[in-house]
Amino acid sequence: GAVVSQHPSRVICKSGTSVKIECRSLDFQATTMFWYRQFPKQSLMLMATSNEGSKATYEQGVEKDKFLINHASLTLSTLTVTSAHPEDSSFYICSARKFPLGQGGETQYFGPGTRLLVL
Amino acid sequence: RKEVEQDPGPFNVPEGATVAFNCTYSNSASQSFFWYRQDCRKEPKLLMSVYSSGNEDGRFTAQLNRASQYISLLIRDSKLSDSATYLCAVNADSSYKLIFGSGTRLLVRP
Repeated sequence: GAVVSQHPSRVICKSGTSVKIECRSLDFQATTMFWYRQFPKQSLMLMATSNEGSKATYEQGVEKDKFLINHASLTLSTLTVTSAHPEDSSFYICSARKFPLGQGGETQYFGPGTRLLVL
Repeated sequence: RKEVEQDPGPFNVPEGATVAFNCTYSNSASQSFFWYRQDCRKEPKLLMSVYSSGNEDGRFTAQLNRASQYISLLIRDSKLSDSATYLCAVNADSSYKLIFGSGTRLLVRP
């Protein structure tokens, strides 16, 4: 299977600071990556679709000026949480779309997630 | 109405039991369907894709009912290691973005 990494795996920051999370596809090129957020005991909620070389597409209700996404290369997308607040504390997971599809028909490979805690 | 809905559970079953989960979706144009497994504080892992004709992988069987807009997952001979949250996911359009259900928690007891 394809491998996707995320860095950092865990971050604690003070309210008002910005945090950058990296998502890398290690052994394949990904023109499209996705960013999800998961609050405790809830499901993954898609935040945005990150497209290499173009602007990200944000889901309804997600502030694009607060969650900055940059997809500068075929293997790297970054999510920056600007002016983080305690309510931004969550589990942030990225996924990368691989083409052609995986053997199991999967369309996305997930990173291990980044746990953000804003104090 | 949520796009993808699941019973949150938990389903508490003894080892060896058979358990079934359902997941309903609202968009009739949905094209691809998946079951993921998520362990506590980890990322989701693909368990199996769901094909129109139904498919089986060992103890796991997935089925799709387009007319009623639901997918199902059957786990036979439950193992302790099957304890996890099972998420269904639906890909509604050509963008390949996945919409996840809230997950069904399974607890398999000795």
